[in-house]
Amino acid sequence: GAVVSQHPSRVICKSGTSVKIECRSLDFQATTMFWYRQFPKQSLMLMATSNEGSKATYEQGVEKDKFLINHASLTLSTLTVTSAHPEDSSFYICSARASGTTDTQYFGPGTRLTVL
Amino acid sequence: GNSVTQMEGPVTLSEEAFLTINCTYTATGYPSLFWYVQYPGEGLQLLLKATKADDKGSNKGFEATYRKETTSFHLEKGSVQVSDSAVYFCALPHQTGANNLFFGTGTRLTVIP
Repeated sequence: GAVVSQHPSRVICKSGTSVKIECRSLDFQATTMFWYRQFPKQSLMLMATSNEGSKATYEQGVEKDKFLINHASLTLSTLTVTSAHPEDSSFYICSARASGTTDTQYFGPGTRLTVL
Repeated sequence: GNSVTQMEGPVTLSEEAFLTINCTYTATGYPSLFWYVQYPGEGLQLLLKATKADDKGSNKGFEATYRKETTSFHLEKGSVQVSDSAVYFCALPHQTGANNLFFGTGTRLTVIP
């Protein structure tokens, strides 16, 4: 089946530092990847849509200069949280849509970010 | 855009009980509808989906029927197991035909032996 991995699974950093999260589709090519944020006991909120080779599309209210997204290849997208602050602490989840398919997304296991 | 309203939890059932988690949708046209499951400590997994009206999605004993008359996609299972304990999310595309998904608030199910 389609597998999506995320690295790291858990990261703790100091306030003001930047953190990079990787999302990889392991056995398929993903033209489109999505980044979500999940707060405790809440649903997933879409942050941005990442298309290979082009700029990401951010949802309203998401700061594109703070959450940098790069989708440089068909199997890798990265989310960089710049100058992280405690309010950025959250569970970040990526998903990938296989090239040539229409509606099924495969989700990564998530990355728990804690900013001290 | 499209949206779903999902039954709030938590839901606690005894093993072998019947499960229903309600989900109703508001959408333009007839988008695909999804149920995702998130087991403790894991990422979301697609549980089942239906792509058009009257379709029934099924997987692992779970079923959901795409009902346009009632704009619903309720999740059901006849006999739950302890291993079904998880959070269940109803979802649909933000806009019909789009790729990005709108998720319901999630319903936490706990099955006790």
